[in-house]
Amino acid sequence: NAGVMQNPRHLVRRRGQEARLRCSPMKGHSHVYWYRQLPEEGLKFMVYLQKENIIDESGMPKERFSAEFPKEGPSILRIQQVVRGDSAAYFCASSPGAVGAEAFFGQGTRLTVV
Amino acid sequence: GENVEQHPSTLSVQEGDSAVIKCTYSDSASNYFPWYKQELGKGPQLIIDIRSNVGEKKDQRIAVTLNKTAKHFSLHITETQPEDSAVYFCAADYSSASKIIFGSGTRLSIRP
Repeated sequence: NAGVMQNPRHLVRRRGQEARLRCSPMKGHSHVYWYRQLPEEGLKFMVYLQKENIIDESGMPKERFSAEFPKEGPSILRIQQVVRGDSAAYFCASSPGAVGAEAFFGQGTRLTVV
Repeated sequence: GENVEQHPSTLSVQEGDSAVIKCTYSDSASNYFPWYKQELGKGPQLIIDIRSNVGEKKDQRIAVTLNKTAKHFSLHITETQPEDSAVYFCAADYSSASKIIFGSGTRLSIRP
């Protein structure tokens, strides 16, 4: 049973480009969370999704950021017109149920904006 | 508001000694308190969790305690080993807001 799979592991984008980060949850998990981690800092909640629904996006910037979790395929975190301040590690976690069920993290995508 | 405070931010202990990390949370409705270990360059790994219906839980050298009245919970690692060196995060669920909020992390170093 494979764990949470994130790709790519490393992503370099020039300012103004788009970044697409993918997350495939563990088998049987229908809940996905995205977190951002700056160097030497903690994990900041961004968004919580279930299949085809955004449940809580209170931690996601209102502009340039979007997330989806379609019926088929991985969850996608999209950052448009990236800026240097978007450089961070982005982690995805999945769980089999709502908050209160164990959540397992992927290895993260490290985004560098140059 | 939604807040989890974690102390200390760094902790250095002699190999074989115990390490304790403490957290407090603000939402009295929180019921689930996981702990994660993050090694350099890797994602956080769930190491133990506790729910509000119990006060203590143990798993080999790791134990967690929960005081719901005081809104405190702690991680205890006994007989520390070099491989315990990592950053540890506590977390609490905010059910009303459907998310898990993390503490700021504790960098644990084990001295040989």
